[in-house]
Amino acid sequence: GQQLNQSPQSMFIQEGEDVSMNCTSSSIFNTWLWYKQDPGEGPVLLIALYKAGELTSNGRLTAQFGITRKDSFLNISASIPSDVGIYFCAATSSPSDTDKLIFGTGTRLQVFP
Amino acid sequence: DTAVSQTPKYLVTQMGNDKSIKCEQNLGHDTMYWYKQDSKKFLKIMFSYNNKELIINETVPNRFSPKSPDKAHLNLHINSLELGDSAVYFCASSWDSSNEKLFFGSGTQLSVL
Repeated sequence: GQQLNQSPQSMFIQEGEDVSMNCTSSSIFNTWLWYKQDPGEGPVLLIALYKAGELTSNGRLTAQFGITRKDSFLNISASIPSDVGIYFCAATSSPSDTDKLIFGTGTRLQVFP
Repeated sequence: DTAVSQTPKYLVTQMGNDKSIKCEQNLGHDTMYWYKQDSKKFLKIMFSYNNKELIINETVPNRFSPKSPDKAHLNLHINSLELGDSAVYFCASSWDSSNEKLFFGSGTQLSVL
């Protein structure tokens, strides 16, 4: 079945550092999204991407929809302690009732002061 | 006001019992979902309802029965609980079934002993 593989699985960084993570699949998707899950909470949408090659920012976060439509990337600049959490990519094939939103395997981010 | 609220937050029960998790959204969304997050944090869709009608059922055992009395509520009833049912269950909602921007509840951690 369709699967989204995220790397790295986990990251341990110092406050102020920049972070890069990616999400890849063998399938083509029409929409890519990035969610963040804080401990004990549900995922929250960060960025949505709708067009191959699209680059979108949300504050210190920047995400890109890969040109092949099989991958996406998320960068966080100047990390702060509240960036700690699990980052999930998600993707869907088309705007259809039966096309599910599939989630990636997650990247755990730990930020040390 | 919590947009998507689910209760209880924690549920500890014995194998073989029947339990329910309730979910309500006050966002006016048409579509609601149940996701299961396992111990490795992998998020998998279980069910999707659009305006009280089932549109996605992801080969979930029929011990799991969702019920949507109206479009603002999607409850999950689980019969004959098994050890493997232990997980965090998330309710979510979106404007409609083609909208990938999900709003999640804070999760119900189910532990089956």
